[in-house]
Amino acid sequence: DIQMTQSPSSLSASVGDRVTITCRASQNINNFLNWYQQKPGKAPRLLIYSASTLQSGVPPRFSGSGSGTDFTLTINGLQPEDFATYYCQRGDGRIFAFGRGTKVD
Amino acid sequence: EVQLVQSGGGLAQLGGSLRLSCEASGFTLSTYWMSWVRQAPEKGLEWVANVNQDGSEQYYVDSVKGRFSISRDNAKNSLYLQMNSLGADDTAIYYCARVAWGRYEYWGQGTQVTVSS
Repeated sequence: DIQMTQSPSSLSASVGDRVTITCRASQNINNFLNWYQQKPGKAPRLLIYSASTLQSGVPPRFSGSGSGTDFTLTINGLQPEDFATYYCQRGDGRIFAFGRGTKVD
Repeated sequence: EVQLVQSGGGLAQLGGSLRLSCEASGFTLSTYWMSWVRQAPEKGLEWVANVNQDGSEQYYVDSVKGRFSISRDNAKNSLYLQMNSLGADDTAIYYCARVAWGRYEYWGQGTQVTVSS
């Protein structure tokens, strides 16, 4: 099975910072990569799909890039409401594995 | 408005069984793959199982194969997860989610499953 490796597992940032999270697939998944944000006690929220397409209603400070095996989520100008845990997820095939998450605090 | 409303879950004994339900509204369930995703305490998200539109195909994470069964009743707009031979590692919040082109845009509210001796 394809494994999703996310890094870092946690990071400390301040309001206004640029934050970058990476996700690596163990095999080529083309652009079938999605990013989610999760806050404590809440279901995850889809931020970006197909590696770089912003989900409706998501602020444009969030962006995604990459293809094949290496992907990046960037937050330009971190806002107080962005402190959360972020997950990548492969969207190809029939098994939709998640990365282990990156906590931004 | 798309909604996924979960029920079931709760406390189960080691080796016991539970059944989770997820009732869909606001869309035609029969046109979508559906999934169960879980999150153990203080851990990340773990995909558990997928089922195709008519229920004829199911896929599971290795750790639940042979113990869990995902199913659906499109006439009742409902998705299910039958969990047998429960172990402590199955303690988690379980979410149902709608699959669209490999992504999860809609999630249930989550239901707690606690396995205790």
